[in-house]
Amino acid sequence: GAVVSQHPSRVICKSGTSVKIECRSLDFQATTMFWYRQFPKKSLMLMATSNEGSKATYEQGVEKDKFLINHASLTLSTLTVTSAHPEDSSFYICSARATSGRVLYNEQFFGPGTRLTVL
Amino acid sequence: DAKTTQPPSMDCAEGRAANLPCNHSTISGNEYVYWYRQIHSQGPQYIIHGLKNNETNEMASLIITEDRKSSTLILPHATLRDTAVYYCIVRTSGGAGNMLTFGGGTRLMVKP
Repeated sequence: GAVVSQHPSRVICKSGTSVKIECRSLDFQATTMFWYRQFPKKSLMLMATSNEGSKATYEQGVEKDKFLINHASLTLSTLTVTSAHPEDSSFYICSARATSGRVLYNEQFFGPGTRLTVL
Repeated sequence: DAKTTQPPSMDCAEGRAANLPCNHSTISGNEYVYWYRQIHSQGPQYIIHGLKNNETNEMASLIITEDRKSSTLILPHATLRDTAVYYCIVRTSGGAGNMLTFGGGTRLMVKP
């Protein structure tokens, strides 16, 4: 149990385009999901907290208009990088906090990550 | 959430026990100690967590000092696949935010 998937696992896009990354909890429901980004050889940095049915909460310094988050259901959150530029190239990781299902209640489980490369 | 301090890197011989220390001297009474690891180019993987008692599961053991100011994650028989960055995090369990704050972690290299 406690599987979180991300799609796509890897994406290469041209500068100026938008990229959508999906995060799904496969065998549990998650009212809260978190989005992180990670630069090479650096630790994970929290970008935003996504709550089902409400607006996401962004960390200081993260542009909400650039990183659009939608949490439309209890098992799906999406992160859209709008007008991507080379400096947005990074490893994006989501996590989901279990609120039902046969997993540890209230614990976080991570997706495998999405590597975004903007040319 | 309390800050943690970990050595940036450690080596361990394959088959030997890997003991990864973590200092969390400002931990408060309702904060748990969590350990995650991240293998290269993958998402973090939950290992174990505890409040004050020592804990063991199929992956590892967690030893927490009596004053709770430090802890040690023990991988009893390290394998090459245990090479990863190990993160020690202290936080409350539950709560509306429940976010995890990652520090630098310890890069464990298991060598043949």
